[in-house]
Amino acid sequence: EADIYQTPRYLVIGTGKKITLECSQTMGHDKMYWYQQDPGMELHLIHYSYGVNSTEKGDLSSESTVSRIRTEHFPLTLESARPSHTSQYLCASSARAGGPESYNEQFFGPGTRLTVL
Amino acid sequence: KNQVEQSPQSLIILEGKNCTLQCNYTVSPFSNLRWYKQDTGRGPVSLTIMTFSENTKSNGRYTATLDADTKQSSLHITASQLSDSASYICVVTDRGSTLGRLYFGRGTQLTVWP
Repeated sequence: EADIYQTPRYLVIGTGKKITLECSQTMGHDKMYWYQQDPGMELHLIHYSYGVNSTEKGDLSSESTVSRIRTEHFPLTLESARPSHTSQYLCASSARAGGPESYNEQFFGPGTRLTVL
Repeated sequence: KNQVEQSPQSLIILEGKNCTLQCNYTVSPFSNLRWYKQDTGRGPVSLTIMTFSENTKSNGRYTATLDADTKQSSLHITASQLSDSASYICVVTDRGSTLGRLYFGRGTQLTVWP
């Protein structure tokens, strides 16, 4: 099992609340990612980071923001949650590109299931 | 448009039986193809990876095949166990992006009954 952790695992909150989903990895990976996944659907990349102080938006537009102040930590924040934000959020990390194929492997955390009422 | 299509969408088999899951992709240029297993409420875990030059890869009871010419892959599970119940996701990496962009299929939901 990969050393990547997400908290909380489940979160039920009311509309308008600010939330932060935590993601940490102990593998020293440079790249980190946030995906959104709805039931029966594919994962969609919403944010990624090449390293400290690097953040980029992914393919799927998201109202969330991320930060990367430390290599091991990549939190995701929603300033004002809405019911449309209800989904599963998966964090992943991978080692620096340019190495063996195995370096492309993304290791996933267990996910946070967010429900906004 | 880069896409990954999987079939069937869901599958129910009896314990001990074999099954084969299919994946078709249009991602180009192609780097590699992985099969992930995702248990309910968990993150995906990599089962196999194949590059352009590989046409088969095994991991225990899981055997993946790749035909890079027809852009098709399959995952064969032999002697299924109850713990094989999960979603199996085909993921293709785009060699053209520095990010190593991944394209995900929607997965095949496998249920193994006793």
